[in-house]
Amino acid sequence: SQQGEEDPQALSIQEGENATMNCSYKTSINNLQWYRQNSGRGLVHLILIRSNEREKHSGRLRVTLDTSKKSSSLLITASRAADTASYFCATDGSGYALNFGKGTSLLVTP
Amino acid sequence: GAGVSQSPSNKVTEKGKDVELRCDPISGHTALYWYRQSLGQGLEFLIYFQGNSAPDKSGLPSDRFSAERTGGSVSTLTIQRTQQEDSAVYLCASSLASGTDTQYFGPGTRLTVL
Repeated sequence: SQQGEEDPQALSIQEGENATMNCSYKTSINNLQWYRQNSGRGLVHLILIRSNEREKHSGRLRVTLDTSKKSSSLLITASRAADTASYFCATDGSGYALNFGKGTSLLVTP
Repeated sequence: GAGVSQSPSNKVTEKGKDVELRCDPISGHTALYWYRQSLGQGLEFLIYFQGNSAPDKSGLPSDRFSAERTGGSVSTLTIQRTQQEDSAVYLCASSLASGTDTQYFGPGTRLTVL
């Protein structure tokens, strides 16, 4: 079953702008992960944030987690055309299998 | 080191045929997962292997689907009597252990059932 739900479904921005994607989930979690998928194939792990963390950074990525609101956000700063991809949040609420949303499709135009 | 590999990358088959999809996890990873992604959708969990324990098959959509993992490493997902609705990308992932560990995904097998 899908637990994470990303918002917006699609986002189009220009290079250099920041992109923000949101994720909401329903049940308690141990951690939340963000993945990127290019061209509908393999997923690339971006960042994992644990339930006792509120914010995490990795390069141009910033992830926040608000467990009281059951939501997370992914911020990509100074976006590049190569950031064009689908972005998924995944939660582990019911154990080991990840629950994915339908993703946000990001288009970065030069 | 090598990541998760899957073969074939693409498979086209006729309705009613059986197919086998293969996954080679990252060496040393004890947990292995199969997911399915239909067009424009998120990933749907299919099956999970952890070490020598019995697999969790709760996500398999029908008894036409089965999977095994030999020697705690390579896994094969078999779909018997394929149907058009089985068309999807089948993704395999592995993690060092299970639970809260990061899952690393392979490139997937795109299955098309004509």
